Amino acid sequence: EAGVAQSPRYKIIEKRQSVAFWCNPISGHATLYWYQQILGQGPKLLIQFQNNGVVDDSQLPKDRFSAERLKGVDSTLKIQPAKLEDSAVYLCASSVRLGDSYEQYFGPGTRLTVT
Amino acid sequence: GENVEQHPSTLSVQEGDSAVIKCTYSDSASNYFPWYKQELGKRPQLIIDIRSNVGEKKDQRIAVTLNKTAKHFSLHITETQPEDSAVYFCAASMKSGTSYDKVIFGPGTSLSVIP
Repeated sequence: EAGVAQSPRYKIIEKRQSVAFWCNPISGHATLYWYQQILGQGPKLLIQFQNNGVVDDSQLPKDRFSAERLKGVDSTLKIQPAKLEDSAVYLCASSVRLGDSYEQYFGPGTRLTVT
Repeated sequence: GENVEQHPSTLSVQEGDSAVIKCTYSDSASNYFPWYKQELGKRPQLIIDIRSNVGEKKDQRIAVTLNKTAKHFSLHITETQPEDSAVYFCAASMKSGTSYDKVIFGPGTSLSVIP
C-alpha cells in the first residue's frame, strides 16, 4: 500500500517568514498526527486529528502554529511567523486501530531550517 | 503529565553481542507499547510492540518485555549486526477518554554496533 506522503522534503526560510507543510495519510486511516522532532530528541506530538476533528493540540504553540485537516484526509501544518527554535523535522503519521493496538505509519518528514 | 523515560541515551556494543534498552512510563493507564527504529535521515519504523496483557514478545532477534507493576518495558536485541545501528524510540500509548489514542515517545537511544 502507498505510504504517508509529505511535502516539501526540505525547506529553508528566514525567521519571521511563514511556511506550510502538507501531508497525505494512508487511505482509510482515520487518525493523523503531526510531530516535531528536534535533532537528538524523540518525536513530540503537536496535534492529533481523528477524522477531521482535533482531539489533542495541547502542545501546539497556537500563537504561531496552525493545522487543519479538511474532509478528514489531507492535512496542512503552518508556522507563522517562524522562529529559530522551529528548526526541526516535522513528521506526519497516520494510524488505524486494530483491536487493542494500532501501528503508526510515518511519512518521510519535512526538514525545516530557520535562519 | 504523562512521561516516558529511556535509558541509556547512547549504547555501543560489539557485533554479535546483545543490546538492552529500558523505558519507564508514568501513566498506569498505558496499555500499548511500540518500539520504533529510526535510521539516520529516515522515518521512524515500527519494529515490535507489546500490549499490556502480555509480558513478553519475541520476533527473531528482537524481544520486548513488560513489567506493568513496575511500569517499565525493555527492548532486547541479540546477535547484533552493524545494520542494527540506529536510534531506537520506545513509546507508551493509552486511551484518552473514550475516543482516541494518546502516544508519548521516549527521548531515544542511539545504538552503535561495532564490526
